Amino acid sequence: AQTVTQSQPEMSVQEAETVTLSCTYDTSESDYYLFWYKQPPSRQMILVIRQEAYKQQNATENRFSVNFQKAAKSFSLKISDSQLGDAAMYFCAYRSVGYGGSQGNLIFGKGTKLSVKP
Amino acid sequence: KAGVTQTPRYLIKTRGQQVTLSCSPISGHRSVSWYQQTPGQGLQFLFEYFSETQRNKGNFPGRFSGRQFSNSRSEMNVSTLELGDSALYLCASSRGRGYEQYFGPGTRLTVT
Repeated sequence: AQTVTQSQPEMSVQEAETVTLSCTYDTSESDYYLFWYKQPPSRQMILVIRQEAYKQQNATENRFSVNFQKAAKSFSLKISDSQLGDAAMYFCAYRSVGYGGSQGNLIFGKGTKLSVKP
Repeated sequence: KAGVTQTPRYLIKTRGQQVTLSCSPISGHRSVSWYQQTPGQGLQFLFEYFSETQRNKGNFPGRFSGRQFSNSRSEMNVSTLELGDSALYLCASSRGRGYEQYFGPGTRLTVT
């Protein structure tokens, strides 16, 4: 079974600074997807960024980028120029590609609570 | 395009009762998944529906059930509620496997 681990329960960053959130996962599959979701106090889960395992290039979405290390099974999220609105719970998630009998549901880590200081 | 909607947003029920939660996916999305979020267990997968068929099920007791209608709207039902069923229930829709899942605002269920 696949597992996702986020080892940092809480992190803090100064406004305009850069912060990196860590995520490791365990799987025997070679093809899969990885995601970072953001959940602000409103509780609405928002997709931040997605990475396909077959792609060597790291995904980037504006101020958000990932460092995907497939061999190390590591998937960290870097937030540049942090803003007050970035304060939220961040969840790392894994999903099988969903064919060949594998399941297509999201498997989440426990989350990292990010605080942004003005 | 309207996002995923869930009704009701908040619900208070008594132990032993049953409850039905509703989820309307984004237009054009045929897959709906349900997740339970609690402080202790985190986010756990309940089930997934695609074109009115349950395609995948998580490790939850039979008290948890769901269905999907021809318009892709989905409902989940919890019978004989227990205190431990208090949680935020999130619904997510997608075009299908291989596509991103977009979440609704959730239904906060409190069992007293």
